[in-house]
Amino acid sequence: AQTVTQSQPEMSVQEAETVTLSCTYDTSESDYYLFWYKQPPSRQMILVIRQEAYKQQNATENRFSVNFQKAAKSFSLKISDSQLGDAAMYFCAYITPGNTPLVFGKGTRLSVIA
Amino acid sequence: DTGVSQDPRHKITKRGQNVTFRCDPISEHNRLYWYRQTLGQGPEFLTYFQNEAQLEKSRLLSDRFSAERPKGSFSTLEIQRTEQGDSAMYLCASTRLWGRHSYEQYFGPGTRLTVT
Repeated sequence: AQTVTQSQPEMSVQEAETVTLSCTYDTSESDYYLFWYKQPPSRQMILVIRQEAYKQQNATENRFSVNFQKAAKSFSLKISDSQLGDAAMYFCAYITPGNTPLVFGKGTRLSVIA
Repeated sequence: DTGVSQDPRHKITKRGQNVTFRCDPISEHNRLYWYRQTLGQGPEFLTYFQNEAQLEKSRLLSDRFSAERPKGSFSTLEIQRTEQGDSAMYLCASTRLWGRHSYEQYFGPGTRLTVT
């Protein structure tokens, strides 16, 4: 069974600094997608960034970027120039085209210190 | 285009009562998912639909749970004879399988169920 592991239950970062959230996953599939979702307190879950497994280039979205290491099955999220609004739970998630439910990690709670 | 909407946002019910939740997906999305999220955990898959067909159910979905998606548009999730262990956030998400944003699941705000 596919599993997603986020080993950091909580992280904190100073405003304007950079933080990296870790994620590893276990799969025997070669075709899959990886996502990072953000869930602010009592608010809706929103998609932050996505990575296709067949792409070697790491995805970037403004201040958010990933370090995708396919052989190591690692998918970390880097947030640059952290802002107070980045404070949230961050979930790493995995999906294969033939097995459609998202599999989520347990999440990392990110605090941003002013 | 509006996002995924869910109704109600909060539901408080007494143990043993039946409850029904509704989800309206993004209009061009043909797949609709239900997840359950308890405090401090990631969402767990319950079931999903492609158009009006229910294609998969998790073993988390006991016989007291039923879901429908008539006409492939909105979906309902019903819980019969609620138990305190059913207290959770119920999330709906939708996606499409083609195009630039394929397989990206977009979530609604959730329905928070409290069983007393």
